[in-house]
Amino acid sequence: GIQVEQSPPDLILQEGANSTLRCNFSDSVNNLQWFHQNPWGQLINLFYIPSGTKQNGRLSATTVATERYSLLYISSSQTTDSGVYFCAVRKSGTASKLTFGTGTRLQVTL
Amino acid sequence: NAGVTQTPKFQVLKTGQSMTLQCAQDMNHEYMSWYRQDPGMGLRLIHYSVGAGITDQGEVPNGYNVSRSTTEDFPLRLLSAAPSQTSVYFCASSYSRVSTGELFFGEGSRLTVL
Repeated sequence: GIQVEQSPPDLILQEGANSTLRCNFSDSVNNLQWFHQNPWGQLINLFYIPSGTKQNGRLSATTVATERYSLLYISSSQTTDSGVYFCAVRKSGTASKLTFGTGTRLQVTL
Repeated sequence: NAGVTQTPKFQVLKTGQSMTLQCAQDMNHEYMSWYRQDPGMGLRLIHYSVGAGITDQGEVPNGYNVSRSTTEDFPLRLLSAAPSQTSVYFCASSYSRVSTGELFFGEGSRLTVL
């Protein structure tokens, strides 16, 4: 099956700092999503981004499908950004399922 | 519009007991799925459905049964619970059966099997 690798596995930031999270995948995809799992366990949709660039407030994401990676940018981080960020992809031409990476755990401190 | 609703949120079972995790969505989504989340392993797909009457296995289907009699509901059944099934379970749905589309998750159900 398709492999999804996220880096870094853990990240500690001071409030106000910027960060970049990376998702590499091993095959062509037609679906890529970024999720944030907050400390209460809820999975929140951030971006549906199989290609191109999107922005939503302090967050933005870029997927370069031809080079098999996606980046999630967090600017001016806040303590509420803490949690785990997951990338999930669907391999082109396969049955309908998303494969998740193991996530990047982010802690934003004061 | 409640989105994806899972019940119960917490459950404790003894080994060998059976139970059903309920999942309902009110978005008329064709695609529904169940994932389990274990520490350090991300989310793994258990079963999925691309429409009423159609189900298929994911990565870790053993020990679980599903059915899809209506578009709205997709229950997950544990016939004989085992401690290895202690996990957090998430139901998710999306509009498109073909490309999964944007996937929306319920709030999760934490299951402990003693």
